[in-house]
Amino acid sequence: QLQLQESGPRLVKPSETLSLVCTVSGGSITSSSNFWAWIRQPPGKGPEWIGGIHRGGSIYYNPSLKSRVTISIDTSKNQYSLKLTSVSAADTALYYCARPSGHSYASPLDYWGQGSLVTVSS
Amino acid sequence: DIQMTQSPSSLSASVGDRVTITCQASQDISTFLNWYQQKPGTAPNLLIYDASNLQGGVPSRFTGSGSGTHFSLTITSLRPEDVATYYCQQYDNLPPTFGQGTKLEIK
Repeated sequence: QLQLQESGPRLVKPSETLSLVCTVSGGSITSSSNFWAWIRQPPGKGPEWIGGIHRGGSIYYNPSLKSRVTISIDTSKNQYSLKLTSVSAADTALYYCARPSGHSYASPLDYWGQGSLVTVSS
Repeated sequence: DIQMTQSPSSLSASVGDRVTITCQASQDISTFLNWYQQKPGTAPNLLIYDASNLQGGVPSRFTGSGSGTHFSLTITSLRPEDVATYYCQQYDNLPPTFGQGTKLEIK
C-alpha cells in the first residue's frame, strides 16, 4: 500500500521560506507513478493545486504561485520536496503531497499524505 | 483558470435521503471532473473520476453524472458516515481547480 508523509517546520516567519518534504513508502517513487503533486488548503477553504513534478524531473507550477515555488525530486531517497519563498499569512494552510493517478500532472489524486499544517507568523 | 462553482454550500439531510450536489464549470471541461470527500481532520479522498467512474472501494450509493459545464454528485441513500465536505475538481486545463466545497450534515 502506497503511503505519503509530509514533514517540515510547522511555523515559518513572514518573508522566509517554507520547506516541506514528502516521503513515499510502500513503493518506488520512480515506478509507483509518473507524477507527484503538492496541494494546499487554507483553513476553512477549498484545496489549491500548487504544482506537480514528473519522475524524470519536468515540472508544472500553478501560475499564481510560480514566481515563489520550487518543486524537486530525490529518487535516491524516495522523496520530493516543496519550497515556497517570501511567505506571508496568506500562505498559512494545510499542505498535502498527493499522487496523480494517470498520465498527466492533473490526473485524479488517488493517494494523499495526512497533511502538514504550516502557520506563517512572527 | 477554470472556475468551479458548487451548490449548495451546505446541506442538511436525514439518514436515508437522496442527496444531490451540483458543480458548474466556467467553460466546457468535457468529463474531466473529479469528486472528493473530505471528512474532518483528514485529507480529501477520491470518490469519482472522469465525472461518473467510481473509485475502487467507494460504496455504490455514490454516483456522478454530467458533462460539459454541469455536473452532479448523488448519494442515493444517505448514511451517517457520509458527513463530510465534498469538492469537485476539474482537470481539463492546467492548473487543476477545485470548487469551494459543499458541507453535508445529518439532520
